[in-house]
Amino acid sequence: QSVLTQPPSVSGAPGQRVTISCTGSSSNIGAGYDVHWYHQLPGTAPKLLIYGNNNRPSGVPDRFSGSKSGTSASLAITGLQAEDEADYYCQSYDSSLSGCVFGTGTKVTVL
Amino acid sequence: EVQLVESGGGLVQPGGSLRLSCAASGFTVSSNFMNWVRQAPGKGLEWVSVTYSGGGTHYGDSVKGRFTVSRDNSKNTLYLQMNNVRVEDTAVYYCARHPLGYGGNGYYFDYWGQGTLVTVSS
Repeated sequence: QSVLTQPPSVSGAPGQRVTISCTGSSSNIGAGYDVHWYHQLPGTAPKLLIYGNNNRPSGVPDRFSGSKSGTSASLAITGLQAEDEADYYCQSYDSSLSGCVFGTGTKVTVL
Repeated sequence: EVQLVESGGGLVQPGGSLRLSCAASGFTVSSNFMNWVRQAPGKGLEWVSVTYSGGGTHYGDSVKGRFTVSRDNSKNTLYLQMNNVRVEDTAVYYCARHPLGYGGNGYYFDYWGQGTLVTVSS
């Protein structure tokens, strides 16, 4: 079961900015646990996009940025490109479950 | 180069057993937190288990008491023993690594395998 809530879909035209929210609770994001983001193309494994709330691994363009506040986090994609069409997941740790939790996932569509 | 390669998936009947393997290269499995994550067809990601570098393990509620993780340090391989499987265990199973030296709060997955499909059906 997903403990973190994301919008099912977001869309934007090429070049636009889109944001994906990730809402948790006091036992995960609100407890101070870091939020991480992954994207996944159909038929492939998830790939790390943002770690530690707002850090990009080597090779991830600076068009992707993360933020966190209270019990929520957000992923922003600026300068949207066709190759950004994918499913996006947030992830954190939950102290009441003593394990990792993922978001419900968001499909990004480039119009 | 870090690589994770899963194998062992296939068709299994409800109540049956299956063992998945995750062969690692480019790093030492026993030195990292290693995880299993699964994804049912058309669904989102679900965390299954973590094995800490010290050897302790923790499981998600949906698999607790049925799945067991082990590792063979000589083969640098992680295993997931799945017993008493259910139809709802049908999923692609990924192994994923948490990197060493992360100074933040919690953990994440920097490398993932390609996944192996487990289908539970009669």
